[in-house]
Amino acid sequence: DRVMTQSPDSLAVSLGERATINCRSSQSVLYSSDNKNYLAWYQQKPGQPPKLLISWASSRESGVPDRFSGSGSGTDFALTISSLQAEDVAVYYCHQYYSIPLTFGQGTKVEIK
Amino acid sequence: QVQLVESGGGVVQPGRSLRLSCAASGFTFSGYAMHWVRQAPGKGLEWVAVIAYDGSNIYYADSVKGRFTISRDNSKNTLYLQMNSLRVEDTALYYCAKSGEVAWLYDYWGQGTLVTVPS
Repeated sequence: DRVMTQSPDSLAVSLGERATINCRSSQSVLYSSDNKNYLAWYQQKPGQPPKLLISWASSRESGVPDRFSGSGSGTDFALTISSLQAEDVAVYYCHQYYSIPLTFGQGTKVEIK
Repeated sequence: QVQLVESGGGVVQPGRSLRLSCAASGFTFSGYAMHWVRQAPGKGLEWVAVIAYDGSNIYYADSVKGRFTISRDNSKNTLYLQMNSLRVEDTALYYCAKSGEVAWLYDYWGQGTLVTVPS
């Protein structure tokens, strides 16, 4: 199984400041035949289902603000919120869709400092 | 717009069974793989099972294999999860999720239905 490990578990950032969440996979999620990283990021606000923010490690979904960006390849990835807004308070999960069983990171809670 | 509405959750004693349903609308249900993902209270996300668009391929998490059965009725636009031999650790909010163009990546989720197995 591909174990996904996020760091930190929680993060408090001032409004307008940068927030960075890291995600490490126990095995590569880069598929050699198409050179794509099978890694996604989800945002979950309290009382809501998760929302897909980024797929293929760095491809923002339609409607997602451009302050959200994803980076990385192979086993190490990051989600960056360039200028934290109040509405970004949530738990963020990385997720690998490279292989079964599909697995998530444990989540990172982002709060306002 | 895509809508996924789960139902069937409730309180059930350990060892008993429950069947969850997910009614889908707003897209061609028969064209997409569908998943169940669960979230224990205050915890993270755990993938449970996936079924291919035509039911031809099914996969389960080890934690539910042999106890849960995922199925679908494309004529009714409905996804199911039959849960047998329920355990305390199965207590969770169960989401159904639609795959996108990639079968193992979910792009839409329902609001979830809560299953509680008391100790």
